[in-house]
Amino acid sequence: GAGVSQSPSNKVTEKGKDVELRCDPISGHTALYWYRQSLGQGLEFLIYFQGNSAPDKSGLPSDRFSAERTGGSVSTLTIQRTQQEDSAVYLCASSLVAGGHTEAFFGQGTRLTVV
Amino acid sequence: AQSVTQLGSHVSVSEGALVLLRCNYSSSVPPYLFWYVQYPNQGLQLLLKYTTGATLVKGINGFEAEFKKSETSFHLTKPSAHMSDAAEYFCAVSEIGNTGKLIFGQGTTLQVKP
Repeated sequence: GAGVSQSPSNKVTEKGKDVELRCDPISGHTALYWYRQSLGQGLEFLIYFQGNSAPDKSGLPSDRFSAERTGGSVSTLTIQRTQQEDSAVYLCASSLVAGGHTEAFFGQGTRLTVV
Repeated sequence: AQSVTQLGSHVSVSEGALVLLRCNYSSSVPPYLFWYVQYPNQGLQLLLKYTTGATLVKGINGFEAEFKKSETSFHLTKPSAHMSDAAEYFCAVSEIGNTGKLIFGQGTTLQVKP
């Protein structure tokens, strides 16, 4: 596709339910990143994929959070037993290769609200 | 550990006035530095980046930033603000280790008054 696509754009869920957030990176981009944007916490790194492997998942807040990437393309971020503090905008980004100098292209995000 | 500090969570300027958004970083090695802009309900868009070479970097929409190693700063400027520049701006540094992982500042909301 032309850009990074995330779905859904908005998700309202009840506390305790599981949610899945999807990211379609730019075709051919090998690196994929998840970030979380919340009031008071700013933009926080969650996890990074190189191909289908996740060399750095240090930002995942708890074991309720997991992510996978298949076919070197689509990635899914899963949050189990959602809590109100999980409410945030989840942003996905991709880049052609992983590297400090490369540009990351961001999707529009998924706004998650846990009620 | 690397970090980014943006001075001023909110900046207000008049249309046509100079825009100056401040960013300071800490890094033990020469950093890669970025400015991103976020319009309401949208993702982040790269304005400009510094990797190596010329310390004055020009970006899109008339923005530029200067890398000053001695001051550990990477302030963003634009000579004349437009109403369309109203947005949130993030300064970021790329984490050491060359993974492309970004460490962001807290963001600065720019308001442009007519």
